[in-house]
Amino acid sequence: QKEVEQDPGPLSVPEGAIVSLNCTYSNSAFQYFMWYRQYSRKGPELLMYTYSSGNKEDGRFTAQVDKSSKYISLFIRDSQPSDSATYLCAMSGVVNTGNQFYFGTGTSLTVIP
Amino acid sequence: GAGVSQSPSNKVTEKGKDVELRCDPISGHTALYWYRQSLGQGLEFLIYFQGNSAPDKSGLPSDRFSAERTGGSVSTLTIQRTQQEDSAVYLCASSSVPGNLQYFGPGTRLTVL
Repeated sequence: QKEVEQDPGPLSVPEGAIVSLNCTYSNSAFQYFMWYRQYSRKGPELLMYTYSSGNKEDGRFTAQVDKSSKYISLFIRDSQPSDSATYLCAMSGVVNTGNQFYFGTGTSLTVIP
Repeated sequence: GAGVSQSPSNKVTEKGKDVELRCDPISGHTALYWYRQSLGQGLEFLIYFQGNSAPDKSGLPSDRFSAERTGGSVSTLTIQRTQQEDSAVYLCASSSVPGNLQYFGPGTRLTVL
């Protein structure tokens, strides 16, 4: 079983739609939960992060962590064509001998004008 | 402040040649990571440096790959006798605390002819 599972998509939505991106994980030791946005031919950009559980909101973006279900989500409200990118979830924590960092494989999102 | 920088941004080489890729992390970041990303794929971990500790080389795909980090700052990833399957984007990331938030550079796009 992979440490982090993420549906690769692709996901295509009309402009203005609410987008929900999700990841599941297997290790309860994870403490940091992150979302990265990667535009084509660019490096991943840290979009949001949450420590432990709960919600965090930043403009049109909301990150949620449900540690009991080992499930994290990123919601994008009023999606824009500029949101078209690949979104990678990531998480880290002390696993076995030290801090470990795991990425999902990424979900490709296209917002159609 | 300055982010993670990588050079060159693009590298085209002939099969069998050696290449060196450079990463300049964010000043003060003690942790440095190298990843490889093939077209349409997720991030493949290669190697991790933390301070003066021995690097975690567990992700290097073969002994043709090596990396060093001088003075706890700049890192160089070397690929010897390049093969066509080495063609990918090589990404570097740094972190102020191991296992915490990683910040990525723009990547080096390597093409082996």
